[in-house]
Amino acid sequence: AQKITQTQPGMFVQEKEAVTLDCTYDTSDQSYGLFWYKQPSSGEMIFLIYQGSYDEQNATEGRYSLNFQKARKSANLVISASQLGDSAMYFCAMRGLNAGNNRKLIWGLGTSLAVNP
Amino acid sequence: DAGVIQSPRHEVTEMGQEVTLRCKPISGHDYLFWYRQTMMRGLELLIYFNNNVPIDDSGMPEDRFSAKMPNASFSTLKIQPSEPRDSAVYFCASSLAGGSEQYFGPGTRLTVT
Repeated sequence: AQKITQTQPGMFVQEKEAVTLDCTYDTSDQSYGLFWYKQPSSGEMIFLIYQGSYDEQNATEGRYSLNFQKARKSANLVISASQLGDSAMYFCAMRGLNAGNNRKLIWGLGTSLAVNP
Repeated sequence: DAGVIQSPRHEVTEMGQEVTLRCKPISGHDYLFWYRQTMMRGLELLIYFNNNVPIDDSGMPEDRFSAKMPNASFSTLKIQPSEPRDSAVYFCASSLAGGSEQYFGPGTRLTVT
């Protein structure tokens, strides 16, 4: 069965410092994709970054990077130079990419990040 | 470009009433998803469509819930009759056939009293 685990219910970071949000996953699929979404207090879900299991390079999008360690089944999100606007809930998600896989995303329970000034 | 549009943004209704939530996906997207988010259960997929056809409705809680997608630019999620335990934020999301990421609407906050 597929599963996403986010073990940090809450995290604090000082403004301008880097922070790592943990995500581990379990899947029997050979090919899969991993996603991170941000949900600020206003409630919308914002797509941040994607990593395919077949990608040799770690994904990066601006201040966001994904530390993908396939053997450890981890896909941690790294936010560099934290800003006050980064305070939000962060969700890790996954779906299988094999032929016939449906489009259902498996979601973690989220990590609440607070950036202190 | 317009993102996913949902209406209403907030809905307060009494138990037993019918509730209809509406969604307009991003133009050109082939997939449409309905989610429910609560503190207790997190984010749950209710149903998703591909090219207007329901593909997986295994997350629909019970017969009180129904969803339709009459055309590529419109979908509804209906709850009849509504119950207090249906109170949640309901999200609609859409994605391209070739892409993987889903783009979410702003959500509808439903309160059933």
